[in-house]
Amino acid sequence: DGGITQSPKYLFRKEGQNVTLSCEQNLNHDAMYWYRQDPGQGLRLIYYSQIVNDFQKGDIAEGYSVSREKKESFPLTVTSAQKNPTAFYLCASSPRPSGETQYFGPGTRLLVL
Amino acid sequence: GQQVMQIPQYQHVQEGEDFTTYCNSSTTLSNIQWYKQRPGGHPVFLIQLVKSGEVKKQKRLTFQFGEAKKNSSLHITATQTTDVGTYFCAGGGFQKLVFGTGTRLLVSP
Repeated sequence: DGGITQSPKYLFRKEGQNVTLSCEQNLNHDAMYWYRQDPGQGLRLIYYSQIVNDFQKGDIAEGYSVSREKKESFPLTVTSAQKNPTAFYLCASSPRPSGETQYFGPGTRLLVL
Repeated sequence: GQQVMQIPQYQHVQEGEDFTTYCNSSTTLSNIQWYKQRPGGHPVFLIQLVKSGEVKKQKRLTFQFGEAKKNSSLHITATQTTDVGTYFCAGGGFQKLVFGTGTRLLVSP
């Protein structure tokens, strides 16, 4: 069953702790993306990767970090430097970069207390 | 940078009424894509338009791409409660998609 998986669905953390959100895809897609969505708002791009071992900052990269060591995986770390980390985080992938159709995972809701 | 705006931000209709959301880009697009996000869910791809002036239909949904490839619309005929959700357009053709601000649709039975 091909697709994108994100785990966990809900994540609770204490303020000041780093937390890593996982994103795995078995679609053999080259490009992967991380978005943040706040209640009632649109999608804001955090980071994206067009190829293994390479990634670029999106519009709101401050306080976040990523890695792309494998084609299938694109984990996102929310660091303690992120001032308002509570949000819905969505991972997506596309066959190739440059505006291709994106396929989204189910998302992780992060609540920082 | 490139911006993609959508109007209206929110619309509440009675079941059976029509609904339209409009998408406008600050720059010419290579393609326009539409996504639907159900409440509590994730965005799901609906359709992609590539050609200037292109019109595509999916059952009760009609999608248009403007002649200048800078605007698009999604029209739903005779809405149903299953149409509830947020509709996003996304401008393609660059290193990344640029998502619109979204239109949230609420349908009352």
